[in-house]
Amino acid sequence: GESVGLHLPTLSVQEGDNSIINCAYSNSASDYFIWYKQESGKGPQFIIDIRSNMDKRQGQRVTVLLNKTVKHLSLQIAATQPGDSAVYFCAENFNQAGTALIFGKGTTLSVSS
Amino acid sequence: GAGVSQSPSNKVTEKGKDVELRCDPISGHTALYWYRQSLGQGLEFLIYFQGNSAPDKSGLPSDRFSAERTGGSVSTLTIQRTQQEDSAVYLCASSPRGTGTGFNEQFFGPGTRLTVL
Repeated sequence: GESVGLHLPTLSVQEGDNSIINCAYSNSASDYFIWYKQESGKGPQFIIDIRSNMDKRQGQRVTVLLNKTVKHLSLQIAATQPGDSAVYFCAENFNQAGTALIFGKGTTLSVSS
Repeated sequence: GAGVSQSPSNKVTEKGKDVELRCDPISGHTALYWYRQSLGQGLEFLIYFQGNSAPDKSGLPSDRFSAERTGGSVSTLTIQRTQQEDSAVYLCASSPRGTGTGFNEQFFGPGTRLTVL
């Protein structure tokens, strides 16, 4: 069964705002988490990842926060742009042979100008 | 090409027909994954290949689904006697390392959209 889920299926923001996309996971053994962005008609594209021994990681305009206590993952996008409009998936992996990534259902981010 | 490629990009078939979907992973990547994405849904794991090891087929929904990976590179996903519920986007991903070896960034292809009439 699915172990990764998202709090909101859709999120609408204004250009320039900061966006926060949330994700809850259920497997406490997961040790690696990834955020993917999927634009219409394309495959998922890697955004940022984080290991379970970290609680924060920053990239360019994006930050991932991991709270293992409550098994919560979030993606923060600073100064959201129209080009950020897409479906965002969180995925988890636990370090066992033969286990692929487990994906949530995704949050659709809509950015209006 | 630098990325994962898949063919065909679109496939329309009639119920009961067999289809083959192809994936060319990034050169040198040892791990290859197939996922299925139904409309508005997340990705559903189907099968995973890692080097010369036996594939993890735990995600295949029925025995009508099979996949092979020849020479550790190109992979073909075959669906026999297709049903309408098989309609989805089939995504392939490759990774430089397999699961269980640490970080596991997967690079996805654009997918094959399968429509079963």
